Amino acid sequence: AQSVTQLDSQVPVFEEAPVELRCNYSSSVSVYLFWYVQYPNQGLQLLLKYLSGSTLVESINGFEAEFNKSQTSFHLRKPSVHISDTAEYFCAVSDRGYQKVTFGTGTKLQVIP
Amino acid sequence: DTEVTQTPKHLVMGMTNKKSLKCEQHMGHRAMYWYKQKAKKPPELMFVYSYEKLSINESVPSRFSPECPNSSLLNLHLHALQPEDSALYLCASSQDLLYRQFFGPGTRLTVL
Repeated sequence: AQSVTQLDSQVPVFEEAPVELRCNYSSSVSVYLFWYVQYPNQGLQLLLKYLSGSTLVESINGFEAEFNKSQTSFHLRKPSVHISDTAEYFCAVSDRGYQKVTFGTGTKLQVIP
Repeated sequence: DTEVTQTPKHLVMGMTNKKSLKCEQHMGHRAMYWYKQKAKKPPELMFVYSYEKLSINESVPSRFSPECPNSSLLNLHLHALQPEDSALYLCASSQDLLYRQFFGPGTRLTVL
């Protein structure tokens, strides 16, 4: 069994400020890790994923996440946020031997002008 | 074509109605998924189809009946739903199991 914890339900941040969205997971086996973004009234879009290799993964729009096995974390960061980053962000984990993706409860990022 | 489409976008139905949600992809993906997302909650997996066969049923009530008529289509038949079934229903597909899932925009269902 696996689980995902996103401790912050809402994160307000001023435009052009840095942000970190926290994600911790638990699993008895090796996992794949994902961050999804959901804009209002839309479906989910994959932001970035960690499957193997380099522990630092980056997306095309400036977000990055670092897999930390010892701390079982996969925090999402961006050095400078934009208004358009306002959305709900879901961390997710998938057991490598099973196709189920388990989502965290989500963090609502509110960028303030 | 790199998208998953879902119809209708919105659906309002009574508890005695029978309706269907449709999902389509033309990416050649062989795995397709149904998720349910309640307001302010994360998506929850309902069903997984792999090569047009039901692979996973996450203990979903029988008033939800999935169908995969071919490799591009996935339906979710609804019958005798309850108001608590009101939610956003998301369809996703992936090249195969464990590959990246592409999500559709969802169907927002309201049961009166």
